[in-house]
Amino acid sequence: KNEVEQSPQNLTAQEGEFITINCSYSVGISALHWLQQHPGGGIVSLFMLSSGKKKHGRLIATINIQEKHSSLHITASHPRDSAVYICAVRPRANTDKLIFGTGTRLQVFP
Amino acid sequence: GAVVSQHPSWVICKSGTSVKIECRSLDFQATTMFWYRQFPKQSLMLMATSNEGSKATYEQGVEKDKFLINHASLTLSTLTVTSAHPEDSSFYICSATGLAGQPYEQYFGPGTRLTVT
Repeated sequence: KNEVEQSPQNLTAQEGEFITINCSYSVGISALHWLQQHPGGGIVSLFMLSSGKKKHGRLIATINIQEKHSSLHITASHPRDSAVYICAVRPRANTDKLIFGTGTRLQVFP
Repeated sequence: GAVVSQHPSWVICKSGTSVKIECRSLDFQATTMFWYRQFPKQSLMLMATSNEGSKATYEQGVEKDKFLINHASLTLSTLTVTSAHPEDSSFYICSATGLAGQPYEQYFGPGTRLTVT
């Protein structure tokens, strides 16, 4: 079993839909990252959080440390949101390395 | 925000040759840089961690003599793929942490696509 699990693996949506991507992890962490990777390959860091909730534009990330679970929400989805979304955690035991989930491939159709 | 660049963005080379990929932190000092490899439709695999001025720490299974990493300054790390073979074809991504932004924040480069013919 992977230490970081994401669901769903693949997700399709119509433009305007509300989207949720989930991430569960099994290790104690100091931080959790949500990353976005577009088809061209470059990775953008969307959020880094260790508690509570963060919002940036149409994106919202939440984390529940007790339940070892985080969610990424996209409101009013748009075709340009189509990308792979990756959850990565920084284990408490190591302040450098990240453990990555396998990613969620999102396609938003007009 | 902090920016990390990579050069080249893509490279094609012949088997047996060596290729150097540069990773630069443009507006901050990167005390630690990470090199990742990514196969199609798979997640990132950490190859090595490099700290400025010291030898890189390689992950299990990564050949040190094959993938030479140098972190000579606080803004530059290089990955050299020596005697490249077609199986080395992959997408290589670097990231950096350091004196910018929040603690623990990692800033990713845009990646370098290597094709070995």
